[in-house]
Amino acid sequence: DTAVSQTPKYLVTQMGNDKSIKCEQNLGHDTMYWYKQDSKKFLKIMFSYNNKELIINETVPNRFSPKSPDKAHLNLHINSLELGDSAVYFCASSQGPTAQYFGPGTRLTVL
Amino acid sequence: GQQLNQSPQSMFIQEGEDVSMNCTSSSIFNTWLWYKQEPGEGPVLLIALYKAGELTSNGRLTAQFGITRKDSFLNISASIPSDVGIYFCAGQIASGASGTYKYIFGTGTRLKVLA
Repeated sequence: DTAVSQTPKYLVTQMGNDKSIKCEQNLGHDTMYWYKQDSKKFLKIMFSYNNKELIINETVPNRFSPKSPDKAHLNLHINSLELGDSAVYFCASSQGPTAQYFGPGTRLTVL
Repeated sequence: GQQLNQSPQSMFIQEGEDVSMNCTSSSIFNTWLWYKQEPGEGPVLLIALYKAGELTSNGRLTAQFGITRKDSFLNISASIPSDVGIYFCAGQIASGASGTYKYIFGTGTRLKVLA
């Protein structure tokens, strides 16, 4: 059974478009995260939600807006996509301050 | 901000050899995690360390939480071709508001195993 799932796996779009990535976890965790992995494979946290409340926002541009409808879901909406947004975006979840489990990633390519 | 120095950056080894990699920082961490990432996949958790000095094994993998809480190492014994991938350390620190925390990731060690 999939623990942390993301859709879509691949996303190719034009500059200026708006797109969303969805994430769901069935681990019963209370905390979910979005990470960005750049072309050099560096992983950097973007957002963290605990029980649907935003607890970490790592100075990400306002064009990125996370939404957590319930504690099993954390979606990421991106407005006015730019070339520099091209990356792999990972969702992760954990039960409080314990080990995080990652989803398979969404490879976003902005043309 | 806090940084995690992970070394080596990459390793080419022969099958059967042992491998060692480590992460160091000037910051103190509460938890250390080690992950493996294969192409096109998300990082997979290998070992979690929660106490200073803790030594934990997972099959051929052994990791330790440094006694100073500023470092951690991962050893892989008797490497096999499927050990190929990028290995990341991650350290947990407090973040801003009381009770919140975040993980800082190392830059990764790219491991290639030659059969």
